[in-house]
Amino acid sequence: EVQLVESGGGLVQPGRSLRLSCAASGFTFSSYGMHWVRQAPGKGLEWVSYIDGTSGSIYYADSVKGRFTISRDNAKNSLFLQMSSLRAEDTAVYYCARDTPLTGNHFDYWGQGTLVTVSS
Amino acid sequence: DIQMTQSPSSVSASVGDRVTITCRASQGISSWLVWYQQKPGKAPNLLIYAASTLQNGVPSRFSGSGSGTDFTLTISSLQPEDFATYYCQQANTFPLTFGGGTKVEIK
Repeated sequence: EVQLVESGGGLVQPGRSLRLSCAASGFTFSSYGMHWVRQAPGKGLEWVSYIDGTSGSIYYADSVKGRFTISRDNAKNSLFLQMSSLRAEDTAVYYCARDTPLTGNHFDYWGQGTLVTVSS
Repeated sequence: DIQMTQSPSSVSASVGDRVTITCRASQGISSWLVWYQQKPGKAPNLLIYAASTLQNGVPSRFSGSGSGTDFTLTISSLQPEDFATYYCQQANTFPLTFGGGTKVEIK
């Protein structure tokens, strides 16, 4: 069974940093691209970042480019999102999601999400 | 960036009704269109990809159509478990973008 479990969320002050993790199991992690998607309270979905299986291709939304860094450790079946210079508008539930093996660029499995609140 | 516009933003319907949601892309995306269902407090669930291909396990009352810039999601006979918010997403180009969502509510 595919499982994705996020951790690392919490309350953080504006301008500070936070690192999210996503533990993957139930599939060959290194064979799949992975994404971070976020959802502000009461709002819609926003794609944040993508990394392919070898970390050779990485993409970011303009809203986080230069502030967030996606990475992965295939030996530990783990995905990360290093978030710096956090702003109030980064407050959201952050989901890690698996890229589909068939047509790509969408998400067939999601974690339960971890809430990041940026506030003083 | 490709903008995705969904309509309506909300719809009230009864069990057994046929419901249609539309999604328009700001530029052509061929058939690179995906639909998700999200229930309150839960992660989204993949329904349809490549505009019209049903994800494994999704009931056949869900269907998708369209190509280019205009797409539709149809629920042929609304069931109680279908009351949720539906999102379209373009899978053509990074940055990946979502529509604003359509909330299907009980009439």
